Amino acid sequence: GAGVSQSPSNKVTEKGKDVELRCDPISGHTALYWYRQSLGQGLEFLIYFQGNSAPDKSGLPSDRFSAERTGGSVSTLTIQRTQQEDSAVYLCASSPGGRQINYGYTFGSGTRLTVV
Amino acid sequence: AQSVSQHNHHVILSEAASLELGCNYSYGGTVNLFWYVQYPGQHLQLLLKYFSGDPLVKGIKGFEAEFIKSKFSFNLRKPSVQWSDTAEYFCAVNAYSSASKIIFGSGTRLSIRP
Repeated sequence: GAGVSQSPSNKVTEKGKDVELRCDPISGHTALYWYRQSLGQGLEFLIYFQGNSAPDKSGLPSDRFSAERTGGSVSTLTIQRTQQEDSAVYLCASSPGGRQINYGYTFGSGTRLTVV
Repeated sequence: AQSVSQHNHHVILSEAASLELGCNYSYGGTVNLFWYVQYPGQHLQLLLKYFSGDPLVKGIKGFEAEFIKSKFSFNLRKPSVQWSDTAEYFCAVNAYSSASKIIFGSGTRLSIRP
């Protein structure tokens, strides 16, 4: 597509439930990134995909967080047994991949997750 | 590991004032540097980037930034701000040796009084 698309744009969930957040990157972009933006905080890196593999998942905060990418395109970030501290805006970004990170990312508009 | 520091959390200026937002990074090798902007209610957009050549880079909307390698800095400047520049500004770094990710600072909120 023309831009990075994320869904849903807003999600309210009860503590303890699982949630799935979806990211559809720009067509042809092989690199895909998930970040988390909490109120008053910067962007916290979560995971990076190159194609379908995740060479860097160092930012996932706990084993309740997982992500996958299929077909080198859409990615899903899953949070199991959500906690209130998981409330944040989850941002997805994509880039052409490899050295073209020089040119920066294109971000989606994010999913605002609220755990009540 | 790379890290980015933005020392000003909230800056308030009047229209037509000059702007300089500080950014320092920690990484000893070659870096790519970025400034992103997030206008109220909008998604993050790339303002400008540096990866080689002239250390003074110009971006959109009259912004510029200067890479000073000896100071590990990449400060953002604008000679005369407008009310529409009200936004949050993020400095970010990518280590050239790593194609994997960009590390972001905590952001600076800029408020412009009309």
